[in-house]
Amino acid sequence: GAVVSQHPSWVICKSGTSVKIECRSLDFQATTMFWYRQFPKQSLMLMATSNEGSKATYEQGVEKDKFLINHASLTLSTLTVTSAHPEDSSFYICSATGTVREKLFFGSGTQLSVL
Amino acid sequence: GESVGLHLPTLSVQEGDNSIINCAYSNSASDYFIWYKQESGKGPQFIIDIRSNMDKRQGQRVTVLLNKTVKHLSLQIAATQPGDSAVYFCAETTGSARQLTFGSGTQLTVLP
Repeated sequence: GAVVSQHPSWVICKSGTSVKIECRSLDFQATTMFWYRQFPKQSLMLMATSNEGSKATYEQGVEKDKFLINHASLTLSTLTVTSAHPEDSSFYICSATGTVREKLFFGSGTQLSVL
Repeated sequence: GESVGLHLPTLSVQEGDNSIINCAYSNSASDYFIWYKQESGKGPQFIIDIRSNMDKRQGQRVTVLLNKTVKHLSLQIAATQPGDSAVYFCAETTGSARQLTFGSGTQLTVLP
């Protein structure tokens, strides 16, 4: 079946640095990718939606200048957390969908810890 | 905005018993519902889905029931096993939006 690869699975960084998370669709063309954020014992909250070749659409309250999303190809989307701070520490998850309507495939998540 | 919520945050069942996880949704326009399982430190894993033109769908050891009248969704797991211990989320979407709204999750713990 379809697989979405997310990398890295965990990252620790110093406050003020930037971190890039990659999300790849391995055997299908992902026309749309979604980025979620999840705090401990909470649900997934949609951060942004990105369509290949277009600017991402951010959910209300999500800073687009802080969470940079690039979806330059049909198999890769990246989320860059710029100038990360401890409050950005969270579990970030991507999902991707292709031509099969409503079939979403999730990445394995990235645990970000900002010191 | 619209929300999808779960009745119980935690559920403990004995191994071999059946589990029932409930979910209430408020968006009457929702026409597609999905249950996901999430183990600690991992992404959500698809379990089963159902469209609004159905009221029941069965998979292997799992059954999803949809009651559109009261906007209620449930996941039934038969003969619950230790490997079923995880957080279960319901999610809903409308039309071709493909954007999911997740419920708050239920932590299922299977006791030996």
